[in-house]
Amino acid sequence: GAGVSQTPSNKVTEKGKYVELRCDPISGHTALYWYRQSLGQGPEFLIYFQGTGAADDSGLPNDRFFAVRPEGSVSTLKIQRTERGDSAVYLCASSVSGVGGEETQYFGPGTRLLVL
Amino acid sequence: RKEVEQDPGPFNVPEGATVAFNCTYSNSASQSFFWYRQDCRKEPKLLMSVYSSGNEDGRFTAQLNRASQYISLLIRDSKLSDSATYLCVVNGVTIDFGNEKLTFGTGTRLTIIP
Repeated sequence: GAGVSQTPSNKVTEKGKYVELRCDPISGHTALYWYRQSLGQGPEFLIYFQGTGAADDSGLPNDRFFAVRPEGSVSTLKIQRTERGDSAVYLCASSVSGVGGEETQYFGPGTRLLVL
Repeated sequence: RKEVEQDPGPFNVPEGATVAFNCTYSNSASQSFFWYRQDCRKEPKLLMSVYSSGNEDGRFTAQLNRASQYISLLIRDSKLSDSATYLCVVNGVTIDFGNEKLTFGTGTRLTIIP
């Protein structure tokens, strides 16, 4: 079946611009996660949705970052006033219920964001 | 101190050899442990979960030592296709409902040499 999909696969923008990154989770998965991976590092947690609500947004670096999941399926990560330091691969993952700690999180291919 | 620490490598290992990776985690309340594999410019994929009793999946063996807060991965009879970055991952600092974020190490890069 279809896995997690993310669009766009690559995004180049200029400093100060606004960007939106989209994630389409596996159908039926209640839990959705956003991570950010910089070069040479492991992914870092940004935010976790349980259904439509953000259950944990402790990883968002500042108020320029915001994410929504209005219908409990597709999610959009929004970055305002982008900075060069925002350049990274933004990974989305989903899991069946997000409960229990043992669930497999399935990752999408990521969006490579480059801020010039 | 990082929450999850691993040697970044690179490890360059001849085909057929056995290679071991280690990882330590800082929070003793951590609940679940995993090894993920990440190929170059690809997304991370679950390789295996790690249990205190140790678990094996073909050529791969994972071990958890809660007392030492230490996780290991052993790859036997390494293949060229094992070349990748191996990420040590810890989940669940608390067991509150909905707190399921993964904490990743920086990854250990492995190259199998023909």
